Amino acid sequence: DTAVSQTPKYLVTQMGNDKSIKCEQNLGHDTMYWYKQDSKKFLKIMFSYNNKELIINETVPNRFSPKSPDKAHLNLHINSLELGDSAVYFCASSLRTEQYFGPGTRLTVT
Amino acid sequence: GESVGLHLPTLSVQEGDNSIINCAYSNSASDYFIWYKQESGKGPQFIIDIRSNMDKRQGQRVTVLLNKTVKHLSLQIAATQPGDSAVYFCAERPTGGKLQFGAGTQVVVTP
Repeated sequence: DTAVSQTPKYLVTQMGNDKSIKCEQNLGHDTMYWYKQDSKKFLKIMFSYNNKELIINETVPNRFSPKSPDKAHLNLHINSLELGDSAVYFCASSLRTEQYFGPGTRLTVT
Repeated sequence: GESVGLHLPTLSVQEGDNSIINCAYSNSASDYFIWYKQESGKGPQFIIDIRSNMDKRQGQRVTVLLNKTVKHLSLQIAATQPGDSAVYFCAERPTGGKLQFGAGTQVVVTP
């Protein structure tokens, strides 16, 4: 299936831990994104990569570090997790304007 | 049924009725607008888009209307079905800028 996929779908971890979320798209798109969706469903962009280069870096704590090994993958590593990091994280990709979203990763920090 | 604003209100619609979801956007420099549907437990899914040189665009059972004078965007869903129950987001993109999402509207279709 052609799609944007993310792993894991659920992630429960304790404060202070370091975790990673992976994203892959097989749509041939050159731009990928990470969004954070809070409990009120508000979607906020965090990062955007175009052909493995960072093009958008919103005001996000530097505990969050994206990595794009190639244009089909964009991973998100989070250090020293905090309670406020609990949210659903969505990866997306686009060729021009329309963005295709992955199924999301629900991160719960306890 | 009809809803207004960028907060997350709930729009309750009877099955078979038409739905209107409204969105007030903020940036007069926005030239591209898009509606997404997000079902429970899933990622947002593209519904329809419109560029600023148009004021109306139709898809299958959906119509998007754009009023640039008052910076207002609406999504009309004809003959609402149970499968239309979801959170609907409008998003705007300023020229050369990034897509910015509104807060979403929860649509609940009742039998």
